[in-house]
Amino acid sequence: EVQLVESGGGLVHPGGSLKLSCAASGFIFRDSGIHWVRQAVGKGLEWVGRIRNRGNVFATTYAASVQGRFTMSRDDSKSAAFLQLNSLQPEDTAVYFCGSPLGDAYNDFPLHWGQGTLVTVSS
Amino acid sequence: QTVVTQEPSISVSPGGTVTLTCALSSVSLSIHYFPTWYRQTPGQAPRTLIYHTNIRSSGVPDRFSGSILGNKAALTITGAQADDEADYYCALYLGNYIFLFGGGTRVTVL
Repeated sequence: EVQLVESGGGLVHPGGSLKLSCAASGFIFRDSGIHWVRQAVGKGLEWVGRIRNRGNVFATTYAASVQGRFTMSRDDSKSAAFLQLNSLQPEDTAVYFCGSPLGDAYNDFPLHWGQGTLVTVSS
Repeated sequence: QTVVTQEPSISVSPGGTVTLTCALSSVSLSIHYFPTWYRQTPGQAPRTLIYHTNIRSSGVPDRFSGSILGNKAALTITGAQADDEADYYCALYLGNYIFLFGGGTRVTVL
């Protein structure tokens, strides 16, 4: 069974940083890309970015709203992906989900999802 | 600015059929945007229903179907059930490795 478990959320002051983790199991993690998607309370889903697999040189792409502030990484030896959030602002307050397509084609969307971790940015 | 537009809300009668649509600003949508559909209930993670226009994700009943209707992507639910009440999101691949979600459609079964 595919499982994705996010962690690392919490309360952070504006301008602060946080690092989220996504622990994966039940599939060949190293073959898969990983997407990050967020959802503000009462709002819709927002794509944050994707990190590709080793075969695709761990390439990353980001939504314009987070470009330059957020950084994705991964550790295939631990079947884990990470999202470093810097220069956080109140509008970054959201539940952050990781999602896996189980493959890494250029057009692969998340198929499996974690339950999310809540990031709250407030003074 | 590129925007993906969905109906904010739709209602359907139990046992009825409803079609949700997904449009891309200033562009005629096609399969080359690989429209993908998700369902989400309050407090839960999204669940994948349809990907790449019309491929049902594992375990999704065949009363959910995806298509291109005119210049929009569409998700059709036939034989609507009470537990189909949820928010439905489409997502598109825009090229240059960028993805974008629509604002979602709240489906009410009544």
